Amino acid sequence: EDQVTQSPEALRLQEGESSSLNCSYTVSGLRGLFWYRQDPGKGPEFLFTLYSAGEEKEKERLKATLTKKESFLHITAPKPEDSATYLCAVQATLGNNRLAFGKGNQVVVIP
Amino acid sequence: DAGVTQSPTHLIKTRGQQVTLRCSPKSGHDTVSWYQQALGQGPQFIFQYYEEEERQRGNFPDRFSGHQFPNYSSELNVNALLLGDSALYLCASSLAAGGATEAFFGQGTRLTVV
Repeated sequence: EDQVTQSPEALRLQEGESSSLNCSYTVSGLRGLFWYRQDPGKGPEFLFTLYSAGEEKEKERLKATLTKKESFLHITAPKPEDSATYLCAVQATLGNNRLAFGKGNQVVVIP
Repeated sequence: DAGVTQSPTHLIKTRGQQVTLRCSPKSGHDTVSWYQQALGQGPQFIFQYYEEEERQRGNFPDRFSGHQFPNYSSELNVNALLLGDSALYLCASSLAAGGATEAFFGQGTRLTVV
């Protein structure tokens, strides 16, 4: 069974204080790893797809990286508007596009 | 492009009742998946529809059923509601392509069972 574990569960950052979120995963064969951002009461918003170890993707203050066992979401010089829950999900090669999610990293950026 | 739209946004039902939630996928997408998200948890896969058939199912009882229409829109039905069914129900649409394909989510339907 595909498993995704995210740490830390919750993180409070001062504005401008960079940090990293961890997503460790177990999957029979990785088709893709996805990062989403979710605001309270809203649906997840797509951020990145990573396909293979060594791959990196960036968007504004966010950078996602992937190894064979885990992914990191680096937040550089965060702003209060980066406060959200960040969800990591994996898609297995035999999974027919279903996503297995972790519980999320809840990030609060304090001005 | 309106993206993925879900209705209603909020719903309150009584234990034992039945509920139907609706989803219109993103333009050009042919696959619809449904997820249940309890408070403080990640979304859990319920099932997926493609070509009007259920392709895959997660660990949910038969009280949860669905349907996909020829225009790719979808419904999620839950019978005999339990208090534990209270959650945010998310619809995601994607393309049934061979590689990893991004799923785009709607804003969700908040179901409260009392």
